[in-house]
Amino acid sequence: GQNIDQPTEMTATEGAIVQINCTYQTSGFNGLFWYQQHAGEAPTFLSYNVLDGLEEKGRFSSFLSRSKGYSYLLLKELQMKDSASYLCAVMDSNYQLIWGAGTKLIIKP
Amino acid sequence: TAGITQAPTSQILAAGRSMTLRCTQDMRHNAMYWYRQDLGLGLRLIHYSNTAGTTGKGEVPDGYSVSRANTDDFPLTLASAVPSQTSVYFCASSEDYNSPLHFGNGTRLTVT
Repeated sequence: GQNIDQPTEMTATEGAIVQINCTYQTSGFNGLFWYQQHAGEAPTFLSYNVLDGLEEKGRFSSFLSRSKGYSYLLLKELQMKDSASYLCAVMDSNYQLIWGAGTKLIIKP
Repeated sequence: TAGITQAPTSQILAAGRSMTLRCTQDMRHNAMYWYRQDLGLGLRLIHYSNTAGTTGKGEVPDGYSVSRANTDDFPLTLASAVPSQTSVYFCASSEDYNSPLHFGNGTRLTVT
């Protein structure tokens, strides 16, 4: 079966750096997406990786290793507003998105 | 403001009743989707439409139906609601089938 694994919850301190990991086992691969979802709100798109390596976008970076079935989202200079759930999703060979359950990130002052 | 509009925001529905969740987008996106989100689970695809006039079944289609008469609208109908359909429902759209998704604000449905 197809599976996406991410930690359920993580805690970090304001101003610090946090890395949220995502491992996947899917039927084929056509890209990996990261979304941010604040409590009670809709998910919003953060990043997309289809080739191995690091994609940087401001304070957020996303890394992909297709051979290891692994990605991470790196958040730098954490702010209180970064408290949210972070969803990892992989597009399989049929271009269907397979979603992880999300990682709830708690930022402490 | 361009985007996706869902209605209603929340609803309490008696088991056995029918209901249609509305979804409208003004971005002229080809693809539209209906997901449900339950605590501890990833988003699960109910139905999708890659272009107006076509629909397909997702991971959890039973008990739900959709139509795509035009580009902008993608309503989701529950013919006879059951308590297991209590969930938060998100409508989403994308420019193409492999583009990032834009989500509506969701409909919180409680079936009693």
